[in-house]
Amino acid sequence: TQLLEQSPQFLSIQEGENLTVYCNSSSVFSSLQWYRQEPGEGPVLLVTVVTGGEVKKLKRLTFQFGDARKDSSLHITAAQPGDTGLYLCAGRGSNYKLTFGKGTLLTVNP
Amino acid sequence: DTAVSQTPKYLVTQMGNDKSIKCEQNLGHDTMYWYKQDSKKFLKIMFSYNNKELIINETVPNRFSPKSPDKAHLNLHINSLELGDSAVYFCASSQGGQVAKNIQYFGAGTRLSVL
Repeated sequence: TQLLEQSPQFLSIQEGENLTVYCNSSSVFSSLQWYRQEPGEGPVLLVTVVTGGEVKKLKRLTFQFGDARKDSSLHITAAQPGDTGLYLCAGRGSNYKLTFGKGTLLTVNP
Repeated sequence: DTAVSQTPKYLVTQMGNDKSIKCEQNLGHDTMYWYKQDSKKFLKIMFSYNNKELIINETVPNRFSPKSPDKAHLNLHINSLELGDSAVYFCASSQGGQVAKNIQYFGAGTRLSVL
């Protein structure tokens, strides 16, 4: 069974601060995705990373896939209250099934 | 014009009852999924259908039975509901199940409360 450990589980910061969320596993994934979920809604895909060492930027969000394709990070620069939500990483294994981490609940206070 | 729609959004029922959750997608996708999200927000896959055929069946009690009448619909029927079934159930769909960059689109969820 492939497991994804996500940390931290909870994060409460002030507007303007930077933060990093980590997603780690002992397993290799063919790709890794980051989703954001708001209360009462389903997860929405933010990015997919496929190549080891790949870095993708989405405005103030920077996503990195580890060289060995076992881990990933999400860095948010100058967080805003609109960034508040549950961030989920999800890895796709050799059977193409998507395995989710337990999520990071981010609160950005004005 | 919701892409993946689930009904009902909320479901409150007594232990022992049988209930169904419906899911429809208008994206023309060939693969659909059911996920369960527990109280700690852990999202775990339950089933996946590709062109009406079951391709993923996780360790789920056989009280849960998915049914796909066509590739745009995947319904979830639950028999003899138990307290531990209380959770938010998400339907999702994607085009092409076995692709590394496969994008899944999720419905808004059905919050099931078993009393």
